[in-house]
Amino acid sequence: EDQVTQSPEALRLQEGESSSLNCSYTVSGLRGLFWYRQDPGKGPEFLFTLYSAGEEKEKERLKATLTKKESFLHITAPKPEDSATYLCAVQASGGSNYKLTFGKGTLLTVNP
Amino acid sequence: KAGVTQTPRYLIKTRGQQVTLSCSPISGHRSVSWYQQTPGQGLQFLFEYFSETQRNKGNFPGRFSGRQFSNSRSEMNVSTLELGDSALYLCASSSGLAEGETQYFGPGTRLLVL
Repeated sequence: EDQVTQSPEALRLQEGESSSLNCSYTVSGLRGLFWYRQDPGKGPEFLFTLYSAGEEKEKERLKATLTKKESFLHITAPKPEDSATYLCAVQASGGSNYKLTFGKGTLLTVNP
Repeated sequence: KAGVTQTPRYLIKTRGQQVTLSCSPISGHRSVSWYQQTPGQGLQFLFEYFSETQRNKGNFPGRFSGRQFSNSRSEMNVSTLELGDSALYLCASSSGLAEGETQYFGPGTRLLVL
């Protein structure tokens, strides 16, 4: 069974204090690993898709990386507006499989 | 391009009732997936529809059902509501033509069962 574990569950940072969020996964053949951001009361907002080990993607202060067992979301010099829950999800290969398996998320709070 | 829309945004029902939620995907997208989000379990996959056919199904009881129309709009129905069905119900759309493609989420419908 596909599994996704995110750590830490919650993270408090000061504005400008860089850090990383972790997403460990177990899947029988990875089709894609997805990072989403979710603000309270809203639907998840797409950030990145990674497909193979060694791949990296960047967007503003965020950088996502992928290995064969885990993915990291690096946040450089965060701002208060980066406060949100960050969700990691995987899609496994096999037939017409469009199911995403999500981790529980990391609640990030950035204090000014 | 307009995003994924869901209606209604909020619902309050009582135990035993049934409810129907609606999702309109991004224009041109033919795949619609439904997820349930609760504080304890996080986001869990319910089912996915493509061209009016259910392709994938998660581990939810038969009280949860769905359908998709020819214009790709989808509805989800929950019968005989239980207190534990209180959750944020999210739908996501994609073209449905390739595994590994990004799914885009709507704002969700918040269901409260009393």
